[in-house]
Amino acid sequence: DAKTTQPPSMDCAEGRAANLPCNHSTISGNEYVYWYRQIHSQGPQYIIHGLKNNETNEMASLIITEDRKSSTLILPHATLRDTAVYYCIVRGLTDKLIFGTGTRLQVFP
Amino acid sequence: DTEVTQTPKHLVMGMTNKKSLKCEQHMGHRAMYWYKQKAKKPPELMFVYSYEKLSINESVPSRFSPECPNSSLLNLHLHALQPEDSALYLCASSQVDLMVAKQPQHFGDGTRLSIL
Repeated sequence: DAKTTQPPSMDCAEGRAANLPCNHSTISGNEYVYWYRQIHSQGPQYIIHGLKNNETNEMASLIITEDRKSSTLILPHATLRDTAVYYCIVRGLTDKLIFGTGTRLQVFP
Repeated sequence: DTEVTQTPKHLVMGMTNKKSLKCEQHMGHRAMYWYKQKAKKPPELMFVYSYEKLSINESVPSRFSPECPNSSLLNLHLHALQPEDSALYLCASSQVDLMVAKQPQHFGDGTRLSIL
């Protein structure tokens, strides 16, 4: 499975959009981009995943570049409860989820 | 609220004890997973069960023994653990699909294990 690169930390004001970038330049054609987050003292929470098209659900939007080498997770209106570590994972035809170090998002009032 | 339930939430045990961690899901998922997470580190895969059969063992020491007695339950039996085994142990489940990459894993909130 391809590796990912994320900034170690980001800040975002409450009510503003949080845009979390992820680089996955070695992604191959059958690999999906997944996003999870982990709030302190909880298990990872699935957010969204996509292959090549942009995706949106009730939690977030996922924008994947045309060459698929990078993606951005967008939380449209961040709240204090969105403070967490966000993991971008590239997953192929395997049961394995290989977590990187993630981005620690701090939402401030 | 998570749909994957792990018990106990906290466990303290000595190095000579035998204990078990339990994971339960009622989403009809036929793949179940154990992960280990050390403090301030990302989760690391330990075991994968598919249709109640062990499919992946990530070279985990034999003092950790997984068991999947039925499609809803996953246990992790612990024996003769070391202090460095202190960690958060996470269970996850997912549907099984030929296009496995399409099926997200759903996690429980883990068991925080401390070895004295």
